[in-house]
Amino acid sequence: DARVTQTPRHKVTEMGQEVTMRCQPILGHNTVFWYRQTMMQGLELLAYFRNRAPLDDSGMPKDRFSAEMPDATLATLKIQPSEPRDSAVYFCASGFWGINYGYTFGSGTRLTVV
Amino acid sequence: QKEVEQNSGPLSVPEGAIASLNCTYSDRVSQSFFWYRQYSGKSPELIMSIYSNGDKEDGRFTAQLNKASQYVSLLIRDSQPSDSATYLCAVDGSARQLTFGSGTQLTVLP
Repeated sequence: DARVTQTPRHKVTEMGQEVTMRCQPILGHNTVFWYRQTMMQGLELLAYFRNRAPLDDSGMPKDRFSAEMPDATLATLKIQPSEPRDSAVYFCASGFWGINYGYTFGSGTRLTVV
Repeated sequence: QKEVEQNSGPLSVPEGAIASLNCTYSDRVSQSFFWYRQYSGKSPELIMSIYSNGDKEDGRFTAQLNKASQYVSLLIRDSQPSDSATYLCAVDGSARQLTFGSGTQLTVLP
């Protein structure tokens, strides 16, 4: 089965450090989402790309978060500097917009900032 | 008002019963609607999608959509303990982003 691959699965880092999370979408999918999930806020949309172009990143704290899609096989989410409140599970999801097949989630990156 | 609202639960049903999960959305332009299941510690998994008014059945699952009322629901027939999970409603909005509700935690009691 095709899958969305996220790395790393777990990350523990100290406050102030840079964190980079990676996502390999399913081959052929043209839309990639980044979500953050916490118990309090549920699934929050951080940013998304269509055909590698960023469409909306209004859900991200701009001063510390950045999302890029350097090529069709890689999406990245970077936090610099990280803060304890960034501790959450970060999910990437990909799909093919226009066909309405829904979106497939990766396994997520569990980030802990101490 | 949240863009996508779900009855927060938790919801408990006995094994074999019908579980009913509800969702309302605010964006009238929304075209696509999805139900995801998320087990504790796992990622959301797509279980149903619906685009037209009416019912859509897939095995024990039935999704119902009423665009006039901006309402979508999921029925799980013959509920099993393995159905115990959080169910997330997702709506493909006017900006073509995918917005999720806060989820309903379902427990099926043996």
